[in-house]
Amino acid sequence: SQKIEQNSEALNIQEGKTATLTCNYTNYSPAYLQWYRQDPGRGPVFLLLIRENEKEKRKERLKVTFDTTLKQSLFHITASQPADSATYLCALQHGSSNTGKLIFGQGTTLQVKP
Amino acid sequence: DAGITQSPRHKVTETGTPVTLRCHQTENHRYMYWYRQDPGHGLRLIHYSYGVKDTDKGEVSDGYSVSRSKTEDFLLTLESATSSQTSVYFCAIRDLSRDTNNEQFFGPGTRLTVL
Repeated sequence: SQKIEQNSEALNIQEGKTATLTCNYTNYSPAYLQWYRQDPGRGPVFLLLIRENEKEKRKERLKVTFDTTLKQSLFHITASQPADSATYLCALQHGSSNTGKLIFGQGTTLQVKP
Repeated sequence: DAGITQSPRHKVTETGTPVTLRCHQTENHRYMYWYRQDPGHGLRLIHYSYGVKDTDKGEVSDGYSVSRSKTEDFLLTLESATSSQTSVYFCAIRDLSRDTNNEQFFGPGTRLTVL
């Protein structure tokens, strides 16, 4: 069955450093992969989408890579700030792209310390 | 925030009672989704809709039904609530007007406790 794995342990880093979060998947070849941010008590918020034919996507301090050979995506936050502290979820296309269905990883909690 | 609201925001109910959660959107999006989120499992899709009266099952649909009689409302019903359905429920829409065509926007969630 399709499976997505994210670092289960919280990631603690110092302000100003680069945070790198990992998303690995098996038994699937998605056409795209997405990253979401979720704050406590709130719904996830979309951050970035990267397609299978794209190696890298950037948005401000965020960078996502997608290696379909390794079946892995890396999510980087450069010059991290305490406000970046949240849980980050990766999500893959699930089934036909027409449906928009997603399968989510469990999320990695990032804590940025001042 | 794509104009998504969920009601109620919190509910406590007893085992065996029916429960209906409502998701309301104001921007005429065709696709709507219901997820549940539990520790250790992340977000899991319950049901989704691709238009009025058009719905389909997700990965954890047992014990749940949905209805969509109007574009703006997507209802999730637990016919006979069980303690295993204690969870946080999120509704989402898919915005086809965006370039990516596949990003989803989520509502604020409903915290349901079944005693």
